[in-house]
Amino acid sequence: GESVGLHLPTLSVQEGDNSIINCAYSNSASDYFIWYKQESGKGPQFIIDIRSNMDKRQGQRVTVLLNKTVKHLSLQIAATQPGDSAVYFCAEGGANNLFFGTGTRLTVIP
Amino acid sequence: DTGVSQDPRHKITKRGQNVTFRCDPISEHNRLYWYRQTLGQGPEFLTYFQNEAQLEKSRLLSDRFSAERPKGSFSTLEIQRTEQGDSAMYLCASSFFTGNEKLFFGSGTQLSVL
Repeated sequence: GESVGLHLPTLSVQEGDNSIINCAYSNSASDYFIWYKQESGKGPQFIIDIRSNMDKRQGQRVTVLLNKTVKHLSLQIAATQPGDSAVYFCAEGGANNLFFGTGTRLTVIP
Repeated sequence: DTGVSQDPRHKITKRGQNVTFRCDPISEHNRLYWYRQTLGQGPEFLTYFQNEAQLEKSRLLSDRFSAERPKGSFSTLEIQRTEQGDSAMYLCASSFFTGNEKLFFGSGTQLSVL
């Protein structure tokens, strides 16, 4: 999962398996959360978002789960593909911007 | 493609030189953001504009940094008297603010200060 620090957490999964990337956020007052995917040399790309009045939201092959009690967010990727290999960031919405975590590097093994 | 575009993609400069980066946001977006990202870290907020007004600046934005968005469209970020610690990826993002900040990012400008 994500954490503050110098080392990027990593996750390796077999192609076709499901991936779960975890994130702990700090501000209990945050009401908006978002996941981004960043490939090497590119900017972050939006994946899915969720507001605090929800605890689950599904997209295409992705699901975000929000547990406000423990301030935890997770991203589930179904049937992980080689193209999913990237760094994944969670971010929490502030009043006027986003605060990003350190990121998790997902490697898909063919 | 009408996404966020940034120029240049890469910039190598010597310490003490000034550099300027440009960002063209998605055309209908009223908010424009600058973030900085170093290796292994998430993007860090620098500043944002709503139309042409610069509404917030991070404490990370030292006096050597200045950003403008003169006509509420494109924006420039200038760094004066660059230092080696300025080496990073500078990301621009835009949004059409509707109560939450779903930002659309450009590919960034990679700055290397020698």
